[in-house]
Amino acid sequence: AQSVTQPDIHITVSEGASLELRCNYSYGATPYLFWYVQSPGQGLQLLLKYFSGDTLVQGIKGFEAEFKRSQSSFNLRKPSVHWSDAAEYFCALAFSGGYNKLIFGAGTRLAVHP
Amino acid sequence: GAVVSQHPSRVICKSGTSVKIECRSLDFQATTMFWYRQFPKQSLMLMATSNEGSKATYEQGVEKDKFLINHASLTLSTLTVTSAHPEDSSFYICSASDGLAGGLSDTQYFGPGTRLTVL
Repeated sequence: AQSVTQPDIHITVSEGASLELRCNYSYGATPYLFWYVQSPGQGLQLLLKYFSGDTLVQGIKGFEAEFKRSQSSFNLRKPSVHWSDAAEYFCALAFSGGYNKLIFGAGTRLAVHP
Repeated sequence: GAVVSQHPSRVICKSGTSVKIECRSLDFQATTMFWYRQFPKQSLMLMATSNEGSKATYEQGVEKDKFLINHASLTLSTLTVTSAHPEDSSFYICSASDGLAGGLSDTQYFGPGTRLTVL
């Protein structure tokens, strides 16, 4: 069965530090992977997505993610974190279940210290 | 582009009443819309998927008669929580897909969510 695991529930970094949020997936076919960000009380905003091709994907707000098939991972990175990046981050996998569905990881809550 | 709105953003109702939540795609036609439920500090759980003009497909464990979904047009889907009870209190989020990419590469665009509190 398909699944998405985000091992880190909560991460705290200092402003200006680099960031890496982990995401592992389990899926028997070619994965279609997404990273979304959710600010408190808000819906989800798409940061980036991977379908095929270049395994390093660039997104909005300076984020990037690298797809590694051998590790079944799709980690999100940012070289320098800003205070406004504090939010909840969700990794998601698209799979076909009648309709194309998304399965989400549990999320990683990012706190940024000044 | 790809903006999805939800109305209302917050609603408080009494136990036993029904509440309707609207989800609209503002600048694209949504072939498919999805409804999610999110408990505090938890991930999103898919409740149902709907295509315009068709009956919604509900996930296992979701009561069809309690959570009525209508996808009346390519830009509007509604979720009605019938005979609401305090345990229905949650954050409900919709998303919409334009289906242009086709298949699994379709992107879902999310609404801002509706906070439902049942007293």
